[in-house]
Order: sequence, then structure tokens, then C-alpha cells
Amino acid sequence: GAVVSQHPSWVICKSGTSVKIECRSLDFQATTMFWYRQFPKQSLMLMATSNEGSKATYEQGVEKDKFLINHASLTLSTLTVTSAHPEDSSFYICSAPMDGRFNEQFFGPGTRLTVL
Amino acid sequence: DAKTTQPTSMDCAEGRAANLPCNHSTISGNEYVYWYRQIHSQGPQYIIHGLKNNETNEMASLIITEDRKSSTLILPHATLRDTAVYYCIVRVETSGSRLTFGEGTQLTVNP
Repeated sequence: GAVVSQHPSWVICKSGTSVKIECRSLDFQATTMFWYRQFPKQSLMLMATSNEGSKATYEQGVEKDKFLINHASLTLSTLTVTSAHPEDSSFYICSAPMDGRFNEQFFGPGTRLTVL
Repeated sequence: DAKTTQPTSMDCAEGRAANLPCNHSTISGNEYVYWYRQIHSQGPQYIIHGLKNNETNEMASLIITEDRKSSTLILPHATLRDTAVYYCIVRVETSGSRLTFGEGTQLTVNP
């Protein structure tokens, strides 16, 4: 089956620093990728839709200047958490539907971010 | 996307069938029923989906009622590795269509 990878799998950073998370579709092309955030014991919350070659679409309440998304190619989307604060500590997950197949989304393994 | 309602938690004995219900009474004619699951601290995994007919694959079976207002995911022989949160999602099957996750059902398979 199709594989989506994320890097890093976990990261610890100091408050005020920026962290970049990569999401790659390893064996298929994905014009669209999605970024989710999940707090402990809660469900996944969609943050933004990443589109190759165009600006990302953010969900209501998600600060686009804080969570920078770049979808530079058909296999790579990056999420940068700028000026991270402890409340940004969460599990960040990306997903990608395979181009031409909309019925199944493939999820990455997630990135655990801890901001001290 | 239509709202879904699932029980918060369920238990199942190892080797027995696990039947996970989902209510989606406001589902539209062009919305599919999807099931995903999330094992602790991992990304969600696609299980199965259907429109109105029952579906079966190597992982599970999906039974959708004739009025499409509810469905049941069946894991025929649950194992300990099936312990996870199971999400029932209804959505239109189009390009860029998002998945909106509810709270899901925590299934615990007991030895």
C-alpha cells in the first residue's frame, strides 16, 4: 500500500523557536495533503489543507502566520510551527489522498512536538 | 459532512467478532461511510468504506442499513492488535475532500 512518512517522529524544542515537520508521500503523488493536530485523549482536528503550487487553506481558528505550510512538490509538504510555545505541544499528523483516488487517505505516523 | 454518533467505548473478547455501530441519520445521498482506526500514538489507518451496499475486505465488513442512517463495522475475529480508536466518518468522495474526525469508539480487545 501507499506510504506517507513524517520527519521527525518526535522533537523537543525551547519556547520561542521554530520547528519544521516534513510530510512525504513515498510512492505516489499527492497534489493535496492535510495537516491535523491531536491533543492527548482528543480526536484529530484538521488544521489546514496543503495544495501543491498554491497557498494552503486554513481551518477557522488556525493562525496561518504561526503554522506555515509549504507544499513544494507533489510528494512533499512541510509544516513550520513558528515561535513555538508550550501550548503548541501536540501530535501533528499529515495525510494524503493519492492523486486520482479520492476514496482513501494515507496517514503519516505522526510527529510528537514538545515545547519546553 | 454529516454528523456521526458512536459509543465512547466497547470491549470485546479476543477471537470473537467486534461489532462497532455508527449512527449517521443526516447522511446525504452522495456521502460515503468511511471507517478509520487509530492505534495509540500512530497515524490513522483506513479500514473500509461504502455507499449503500455491504462491503467486505481483508480487514473487516461494513453493513449499511437500507435507509443508510446507520452502519456497523464488523471485525470478524478480533485480536489484541485491533485495540484502537475506531472512527466512523461520512463524506463526499471528491478531490480534496477532507476527513472530519469525531470522538470515535475506543475498542479494547481483552485476552
